[in-house]
Amino acid sequence: QVQLVQSGAEVKKPGASVKVSCKASGYTFTSYGISWVRQAPGQGLEWMGWISAYNGNTNYAQKLQGRVTMTTDTSTSAAYMELRSLRSDDTAVYYCARGLLWSAYSVWGQGTLVTVSS
Amino acid sequence: DIQMTQSPSSLSASVGDRVTITCRASQGISNSLAWYQQKPGKAPKLLLYAASRLETGVPSRFSGSGSGTDYTLTISSLQPEDFATYYCQQYYSTPLTFGGGTKVKIK
Repeated sequence: QVQLVQSGAEVKKPGASVKVSCKASGYTFTSYGISWVRQAPGQGLEWMGWISAYNGNTNYAQKLQGRVTMTTDTSTSAAYMELRSLRSDDTAVYYCARGLLWSAYSVWGQGTLVTVSS
Repeated sequence: DIQMTQSPSSLSASVGDRVTITCRASQGISNSLAWYQQKPGKAPKLLLYAASRLETGVPSRFSGSGSGTDYTLTISSLQPEDFATYYCQQYYSTPLTFGGGTKVKIK
């Protein structure tokens, strides 16, 4: 079945970086892109950006430009999201989701909790 | 950025009730709207896309309507498993944006 499986929870100190992985299975990885969406505790959903698994093109949310990098590895059907210069307000559950840049998302990963705390 | 305003932010309803949630975009989004259901500790689940198209496997008691800037999610007869938080999302332009959510609680 089509699924996205994410890496485990992380605890980081302010100023550090985190890299979350999202491994796809059950479909042709390069036929879709991967978006990253985060959700702070008790809050709503925030789109972070999107990467094409076909050609690596990216589209990032402006507020994260310069701090976020999204990549893919087509040999392993995996996508990665790296966030640098972490702050306490980056504490959130980070989700990957399959889709085109302008589309709804029908397949989601299980989420990865990233906690930023000194 | 397109702002998505959902209302109400929460509601209390009973099993069997008809429930309506609205989502207003700050500019026209040409039906590029999705609705998601999220339960605590779980990823969002896609219910509808293109404003009114039901995702495969989603019960027909869920329906969507609207055009331009105003959209509606309707649950025709609320079931126990429908108590959750619902989000709208526009995918007309980047950055993609979500509504603030509507928590459906048991009355």
